[in-house]
Amino acid sequence: DGGITQSPKYLFRKEGQNVTLSCEQNLNHDAMYWYRQDPGQGLRLIYYSQIVNDFQKGDIAEGYSVSREKKESFPLTVTSAQKNPTAFYLCASSIDTGGNYEQYFGPGTRLTVT
Amino acid sequence: DQQVKQNSPSLSVQEGRISILNCDYTNSMFDYFLWYKKYPAEGPTFLISISSIKDKNEDGRFTVFLNKSAKHLSLHIVPSQPGDSAVYFCAASATQGGSEKLVFGKGTKLTVNP
Repeated sequence: DGGITQSPKYLFRKEGQNVTLSCEQNLNHDAMYWYRQDPGQGLRLIYYSQIVNDFQKGDIAEGYSVSREKKESFPLTVTSAQKNPTAFYLCASSIDTGGNYEQYFGPGTRLTVT
Repeated sequence: DQQVKQNSPSLSVQEGRISILNCDYTNSMFDYFLWYKKYPAEGPTFLISISSIKDKNEDGRFTVFLNKSAKHLSLHIVPSQPGDSAVYFCAASATQGGSEKLVFGKGTKLTVNP
């Protein structure tokens, strides 16, 4: 089955530790995205990548880093510099189909930092 | 500065009646609009989209209306069903810029009462 997988579903870390969230897609999509969702805030874009080995900062990139070494994978590292890391993190992917910009989302990872 | 606004945080309707979810945008470069549905602790799922060259798009019980002059779009669900209870996000994209970035509203929580 084609889709986007994020693991783990729940993640707990101590403050001061870096943590990497996994995102894999087998949809052959070129573009991938990371969002975080906080209560009452909707979805805010952290980073996105339109092609392998290239990525751009979104609206709230501070304290995060990404890599895009393979088309299928777009891991997100939440560093100790991120002031409020506890959130629900969503990965998405999309393909340009002549103006059709639908993004397909993974199931999300809830990160709790204490 | 919020470019996509969903001014109603919540909406409650009776089963079988019409649900109308509203969305306003400020960026005149937006030319592609999408609605997503999200259940708690899950990733959003794509519902329906509309290009700025149209003013209406229909898919089963879901219809999206676009009023470009008012920079307003709405999602109509008829008839509403209890399974439609979820948070609905409006999203917009400026496709002519070559970016597939989506800007999301904060969401409207729809509750359909049996």
